[in-house]
Amino acid sequence: GENVEQHPSTLSVQEGDSAVIKCTYSDSASNYFPWYKQELGKGPQLIIDIRSNVGEKKDQRIAVTLNKTAKHFSLHITETQPEDSAVYFCAASIRAAGNKLTFGGGTRVLVKP
Amino acid sequence: DAEITQSPRHKITETGRQVTLACHQTWNHNNMFWYRQDLGHGLRLIHYSYGVQDTNKGEVSDGYSVSRSNTEDLPLTLESAASSQTSVYFCASSDSAGALNEQFFGPGTRLTVL
Repeated sequence: GENVEQHPSTLSVQEGDSAVIKCTYSDSASNYFPWYKQELGKGPQLIIDIRSNVGEKKDQRIAVTLNKTAKHFSLHITETQPEDSAVYFCAASIRAAGNKLTFGGGTRVLVKP
Repeated sequence: DAEITQSPRHKITETGRQVTLACHQTWNHNNMFWYRQDLGHGLRLIHYSYGVQDTNKGEVSDGYSVSRSNTEDLPLTLESAASSQTSVYFCASSDSAGALNEQFFGPGTRLTVL
């Protein structure tokens, strides 16, 4: 089955700096890659996703890039703010496999004021 | 507003007891999922369902069962709770129609097995 590795496990950045989280996946058939943000005491919430026919996608301060050849994808957060402090999860799925997601181990991001 | 709820939010039980965690969604989604979250492991899929009367095993299904008698609910049962099942449990749902893959998560249930 699919295996998703996520690095780093913790990331501390100064407010205003950029944060980058990287994930690799094993199944070349995966074609949907969402990123979830989990705040303390809450369930994960989708913040951005990318599909295999797209190399990059942006939404304000966040962006995702996908390299299908290398089987890795990344989340970039620019101009970090204290409210970006949370745990971030990458995931991968095969749409034909019915929306089943395989998650990475998570990255705890701390933005220091 | 449509939502997904879980109950209880916190549960303490003893080894060997049967425990049922509830999940209820009002989006009329066909797909529902149960995950457990443990430090260093992210979210791991326990069971999932694509519709009424449909259930499937996930990555870590041993010791758990689910049933889907209607669209809104997917209760998760621990037949005989073990300390290794101490975890935070999340339920999620998604639409099976069109190109939408987003899974909407509930607030979680923290389960402690003593």
